[in-house]
Amino acid sequence: GESVGLHLPTLSVQEGDNSIINCAYSNSASDYFIWYKQESGKGPQFIIDIRSNMDKRQGQRVTVLLNKTVKHLSLQIAATQPGDSAVYFCAEFQGAQKLVFGQGTRLTINP
Amino acid sequence: NAGVTQTPKFRILKIGQSMTLQCAQDMNHNYMYWYRQDPGMGLKLIYYSVGAGITDKGEVPNGYNVSRSTTEDFPLRLELAAPSQTSVYFCASSYPTGGQPQHFGDGTRLSIL
Repeated sequence: GESVGLHLPTLSVQEGDNSIINCAYSNSASDYFIWYKQESGKGPQFIIDIRSNMDKRQGQRVTVLLNKTVKHLSLQIAATQPGDSAVYFCAEFQGAQKLVFGQGTRLTINP
Repeated sequence: NAGVTQTPKFRILKIGQSMTLQCAQDMNHNYMYWYRQDPGMGLKLIYYSVGAGITDKGEVPNGYNVSRSTTEDFPLRLELAAPSQTSVYFCASSYPTGGQPQHFGDGTRLSIL
């Protein structure tokens, strides 16, 4: 079936380094993708989104890249800080109301 | 701005009991959603609503009911609690039409014993 998946369940980076979190999707018809950050005991927090007519979108310290050819999405976090420690989910819109979440990647920041 | 507010934050139920999880949003969003999140997993859609008086099933609706009498509120009802319903429940809302980010509450952690 259609699904959104992640390449790595955990990622550890040094404080100050850049982080890259990857996501694969399988529904080539999907046209909208979102990255969420979830801290312990909290709900998912919107980080950045991208539509399929774009390859790249930048926010504050974050960049999302979309490669439709290989159905791959990535989230880049620049100069990773301790506050970036969380679980990151990519989510794919499959129809107007159906948001499909991946399993998540836990990002750990080493001092 | 409160955003999406869920109550209670924690609850323990006995098998067979019933309860209602409350969700309210103050962003005037037409669309509202209920998800469950099991440990180490992503979120799965239970029910959603595109406006007052309109609800529809998501991926995992069995064992749950919803109603939407106002734009602001979207309660989720468990009629006969089962251990399989132990999970964290998240409510979300968004503007109309697809392709809009959903805004989430902080969840209700529910244990069925």
